[in-house]
Amino acid sequence: AQSVTQLGSHVSVSEGALVLLRCNYSSSVPPYLFWYVQYPNQGLQLLLKYTSAATLVKGINGFEAEFKKSETSFHLTKPSAHMSDAAEYFCASLDRGSTLGRLYFGRGTQLTVWP
Amino acid sequence: NAGVTQTPKFQVLKTGQSMTLQCAQDMNHEYMSWYRQDPGMGLRLIHYSVGAGITDQGEVPNGYNVSRSTTEDFPLRLLSAAPSQTSVYFCASSPLFTPSAGSEAFFGQGTRLTVV
Repeated sequence: AQSVTQLGSHVSVSEGALVLLRCNYSSSVPPYLFWYVQYPNQGLQLLLKYTSAATLVKGINGFEAEFKKSETSFHLTKPSAHMSDAAEYFCASLDRGSTLGRLYFGRGTQLTVWP
Repeated sequence: NAGVTQTPKFQVLKTGQSMTLQCAQDMNHEYMSWYRQDPGMGLRLIHYSVGAGITDQGEVPNGYNVSRSTTEDFPLRLLSAAPSQTSVYFCASSPLFTPSAGSEAFFGQGTRLTVV
């Protein structure tokens, strides 16, 4: 079964600093990949997704992610952190060969932004 | 735009009680699923459905039942609640996979369940 691994369960940055959240996938065929964000006491919201149209994907709130097949990675970045970015972030994958739409989630990374 | 609606938002149960968590979506999505979220564990799939009358088990199905009588509704039943089922439960829906787009999942706001 495919899986995704998020390196670092907690990341702390200062406001204005670069945000880098790491995600690696394990399937032999590159899957579709997603980043979701969860604000406190809320559901998950899609930030961006990779479907093979372009390796650099731009999402909402200034986030972007780059798909690198050679590194089996899909890391999430934002050039300048804002206090409102504090949340939990989940990487997820979807098997290209599946007709079931089943997502596989990483364990999440809690982002803290210091003033 | 209602999207995915879960009720209740909060619930406290005593060990051994049963209850049903409700989930409804108004986007005519074929695929619906239930996840539980526990600290440090991410989201784990409990059950899923690819259409009315079709359900299947996910990673952690024990202690839970589901049914899908309509496209819109996908209730999750706890048969005999245990403290280990204390968690936050999320329902999600998506269109079935389309090669060009990938299936974006839409999530409800969650149900925070405590079993004492």
